Amino acid sequence: GAVVSQHPSRVICKSGTSVKIECRSLDFQATTMFWYRQFPKQSLMLMATSNEGSKATYEQGVEKDKFLINHASLTLSTLTVTSAHPEDSSFYICSASLQGTGEQFFGPGTRLTVL
Amino acid sequence: GESVGLHLPTLSVQEGDNSIINCAYSNSASDYFIWYKQESGKGPQFIIDIRSNMDKRQGQRVTVLLNKTVKHLSLQIAATQPGDSAVYFCADSGGGADGLTFGKGTHLIIQP
Repeated sequence: GAVVSQHPSRVICKSGTSVKIECRSLDFQATTMFWYRQFPKQSLMLMATSNEGSKATYEQGVEKDKFLINHASLTLSTLTVTSAHPEDSSFYICSASLQGTGEQFFGPGTRLTVL
Repeated sequence: GESVGLHLPTLSVQEGDNSIINCAYSNSASDYFIWYKQESGKGPQFIIDIRSNMDKRQGQRVTVLLNKTVKHLSLQIAATQPGDSAVYFCADSGGGADGLTFGKGTHLIIQP
């Protein structure tokens, strides 16, 4: 149980375009989902906390207008990287939280490459 | 949140030996601690967790120790196997709906 999926697993896009990444909890309902970013050989950094039906909470230094988050249902959160630039190239990983436990289950990640 | 640090970026051990990976955290309000394993190109995989009301927890071949006095966390892996080769991250949170603060990661290399 507690499986989280992400789609796509890899995406390559041109600079200036937008990319949408989906995060789904497959067998449980997640009132809270989290988005992390990981640059090569570095750790995961929390970008934002996504709560179903409300606006996401962004960490300091993360531009909310650039990284649009929508948590429309208890099993789906999306991250849209708008006007992507090469420096946005990274590994984006989502996690979903089991309500009340604090445990987070991670998706397999999405490798974004912006040319 | 505050950052969680690791002492060693790389740890090399012989297959069959025990390994210990250390982590220092800085947020005294953290009450939930987790160790994750990450293989190249994949998302983090949960290994074991511990809450602040405990100082030791054991799993299959793994043990996590928590010393709240010095804000130190360690992961012990018994009888390491080639499949244990990966980067290991500690992470902490204040629990509930808080996001996780990850440490820098330790690359565990298992030598034959």
